[in-house]
Amino acid sequence: GENVEQHPSTLSVQEGDSAVIKCTYSDSASNYFPWYKQELGKRPQLIIDIRSNVGEKKDQRIAVTLNKTAKHFSLHITETQPEDSAVYFCAASILLGNKLVFGAGTILRVKS
Amino acid sequence: KAGVTQTPRYLIKTRGQQVTLSCSPISGHRSVSWYQQTPGQGLQFLFEYFSETQRNKGNFPGRFSGRQFSNSRSEMNVSTLELGDSALYLCASSERGTAHQETQYFGPGTRLLVL
Repeated sequence: GENVEQHPSTLSVQEGDSAVIKCTYSDSASNYFPWYKQELGKRPQLIIDIRSNVGEKKDQRIAVTLNKTAKHFSLHITETQPEDSAVYFCAASILLGNKLVFGAGTILRVKS
Repeated sequence: KAGVTQTPRYLIKTRGQQVTLSCSPISGHRSVSWYQQTPGQGLQFLFEYFSETQRNKGNFPGRFSGRQFSNSRSEMNVSTLELGDSALYLCASSERGTAHQETQYFGPGTRLLVL
């Protein structure tokens, strides 16, 4: 079955710096890759997603890149702010249905 | 639209008991998925229901079951609870659950503690 690996497990950055989180997936049939942000005690919330027919997607300070050949995708957050501090999860799913396979998560700390 | 709701929010049970958790999707959403979140295993897919039918299933034992009603509300049941079942159980809904993946919106979760 699908397996998603996520690195790093923790990431500390200074406010204003960029943060990059990387994920690799095993199933070449995967074609949908969302990123979720989960603040302490809250529900996961989608921040950006990308489909396999696109190599990059941007939404203000957040961008995601996808390399299908290498089977990896990355989340880029620029100009980080303290409110970006949270746990970030990458996920992958195949064409049929809504089964998301999640990475282990990255704890992002933005120091002010 | 109101978001995904889950009841109860917190639950304490003892080993051997059974528990039923409820999830009400966003109005109009027909697909409901369930996930278990633990510090050790992270977020793991349990199962997905669409139009009252289980469409996908994760790698959990048969003690974990679910169902979906005609109004798209879903319940999951865990029988013969074990200590390791202590977790945050999240449900997520999406609109059509068609071949083109849609955003899954998560509920606040039910935190289950098994003593």
